[in-house]
Amino acid sequence: KNQVEQSPQSLIILEGKNCTLQCNYTVSPFSNLRWYKQDTGRGPVSLTIMTFSENTKSNGRYTATLDADTKQSSLHITASQLSDSASYICVVSGGSSNTGKLIFGQGTTLQVKP
Amino acid sequence: DAGVIQSPRHEVTEMGQEVTLRCKPISGHDYLFWYRQTMMRGLELLIYFNNNVPIDDSGMPEDRFSAKMPNASFSTLKIQPSEPRDSAVYFCASSFQGYEKLFFGSGTQLSVL
Repeated sequence: KNQVEQSPQSLIILEGKNCTLQCNYTVSPFSNLRWYKQDTGRGPVSLTIMTFSENTKSNGRYTATLDADTKQSSLHITASQLSDSASYICVVSGGSSNTGKLIFGQGTTLQVKP
Repeated sequence: DAGVIQSPRHEVTEMGQEVTLRCKPISGHDYLFWYRQTMMRGLELLIYFNNNVPIDDSGMPEDRFSAKMPNASFSTLKIQPSEPRDSAVYFCASSFQGYEKLFFGSGTQLSVL
């Protein structure tokens, strides 16, 4: 069964600290993996996309890693800011990019406190 | 571009009433998706269109739900009759050439009393 599991479910950190969010998937065949950020009351916004051959990709203070062998991805946030408080959703695309299904994780809710 | 535009932002209705949610995708995008988000189930795909044609509606929960896309710049999701369990946030998203990158609207918060 195609699944995407994220951990932890929620996380509270102090401003300025780093954190790492985890995503494990069992989607096959694999096309790509995206991390989305969803602010409260808004729609998800894409942060990064990674394909099978990519190990690391950065977007500012966000760094995503992918281990296609173990089917694990992580999203590392460096020097957190209050604006990083949001839900982070891991999304895996199975099959071809145009016809494959998107499998969504349940998300990790991050709260950054001053 | 203003992004994907959804209306209304909030909708409160009584059980049994008809509800219509609206979406204007980003100009030039050829895919449009309707998602439902709840705390229990996260984001669920309801239906998606390619070039205004419904491609996969297997996620539509019941016959009470219907979606249309009369042209490239407008889509509706209708629930008739609505039930309390339909309460959720409904997102519309659009993309160019499939699943490569979805752009989501701000969603419609639906409450059915």
